[in-house]
Amino acid sequence: NAGVTQTPKFQVLKTGQSMTLQCAQDMNHEYMSWYRQDPGMGLRLIHYSVGAGITDQGEVPNGYNVSRSTTEDFPLRLLSAAPSQTSVYFCASREADTQYFGPGTRLTVL
Amino acid sequence: SQKIEQNSEALNIQEGKTATLTCNYTNYSPAYLQWYRQDPGRGPVFLLLIRENEKEKRKERLKVTFDTTLKQSLFHITASQPADSATYLCALDDSWGRRALTFGSGTRLQVQP
Repeated sequence: NAGVTQTPKFQVLKTGQSMTLQCAQDMNHEYMSWYRQDPGMGLRLIHYSVGAGITDQGEVPNGYNVSRSTTEDFPLRLLSAAPSQTSVYFCASREADTQYFGPGTRLTVL
Repeated sequence: SQKIEQNSEALNIQEGKTATLTCNYTNYSPAYLQWYRQDPGRGPVFLLLIRENEKEKRKERLKVTFDTTLKQSLFHITASQPADSATYLCALDDSWGRRALTFGSGTRLQVQP
């Protein structure tokens, strides 16, 4: 199993640009989520999904969209990037009470 | 809202000693608490879960305690090694029923050889 994979590993955007962070898992987990990690603030939940076709907002959803058309994939879209979205983004899937995290995407918005 | 506090200062210890990290929380009564390890440039990795009705959990050199009265968990690494150097995060089940986790900001452990 590859586990949770994320692409790209690094990305630089200009303010106003859009992009999609990709996340995939091959463990057949129903629950997936996106977090952002900023220095001194811990991981904060952006959006989550309890299964294909079902998504909901987390703690910091503004500026981000998600969709879940398959069990495997859970992309995160930034429609109009802002410098405040500079962060490291982690995707995770969950089985029972254990979360499995991807390697992260480091995003810089200039 | 629930709040999790971990010591933001790095913990420096000598190899072979026991490292003890603290996690305090407020405004919530979690059903369980988890500890994760995070290495630089990588995602967190699950280590241990302890439930509200458990006082202590062990896994190899790791031990976690959970005091729901004090609202505190202690994470111990015995016979620490330089390879244990990392940031350790504690996490509680989300109080909003979202089945997500709420994380502390982590404590960086540095084990000196």
